[in-house]
Amino acid sequence: SVLLYQKPNRDICQSGTSLKIQCVADSQVVSMFWYQQFQEQSLMLMATANEGSEATYESGFTKDKFPISRPNLTFSTLTVNNARPGDSSIYFCSSRVGGYEQYFGPGTRLTVL
Amino acid sequence: QQKVQQSPESLIVPEGGMASLNCTSSDRNVDYFWWYRQHSGKSPKMLMSIFSNGEKEEGRFTVHLNKASLHTSLHIRDSQPSDSALYLCAARTNAYKVIFGKGTHLHVLP
Repeated sequence: SVLLYQKPNRDICQSGTSLKIQCVADSQVVSMFWYQQFQEQSLMLMATANEGSEATYESGFTKDKFPISRPNLTFSTLTVNNARPGDSSIYFCSSRVGGYEQYFGPGTRLTVL
Repeated sequence: QQKVQQSPESLIVPEGGMASLNCTSSDRNVDYFWWYRQHSGKSPKMLMSIFSNGEKEEGRFTVHLNKASLHTSLHIRDSQPSDSALYLCAARTNAYKVIFGKGTHLHVLP
């Protein structure tokens, strides 16, 4: 298994500002995934981040709006640029072990005013 | 179009009853399904996985898979109030992409 930690747990920011969400794994993982979840609804896959390469974004998510860094095998950062109230949601980082079970961080609850 | 569809959206069962949740994928490339449970304010935790036709049982939880129709179902017997949560079905379409359904909200009434 893998344990994922996220920082911050929650954040409140003003529209138009940017914020960073950090994810740390307790062991090396090949891929990290970022998900967005609105109020107990589906988890939407935002992007997949592998070490040393550009993140791959899903439809509806862009590098300019949600840049992701993956500098090593235990760390990833998601940035939310030009935050808007519609970005208010919970952001989860996630990883898989052995290609099967997927583990999630505790989530970062973002509120944009 | 949502590639993983779950039904019902919401389900209410009495304590001790049976809860049955359904999930179907429209993507013929799906080869693996998971069921996750997410309690309010928490992160999703995997309950069960299945990739072979048939049935798998773990305690009060049973999962079925029909690969021909890409349909899986989760059955919870002797439901408890602590089972009240959002149940998410996930399907793997290739080695690195996992897609989640919209979930079923299960409420178990004491």
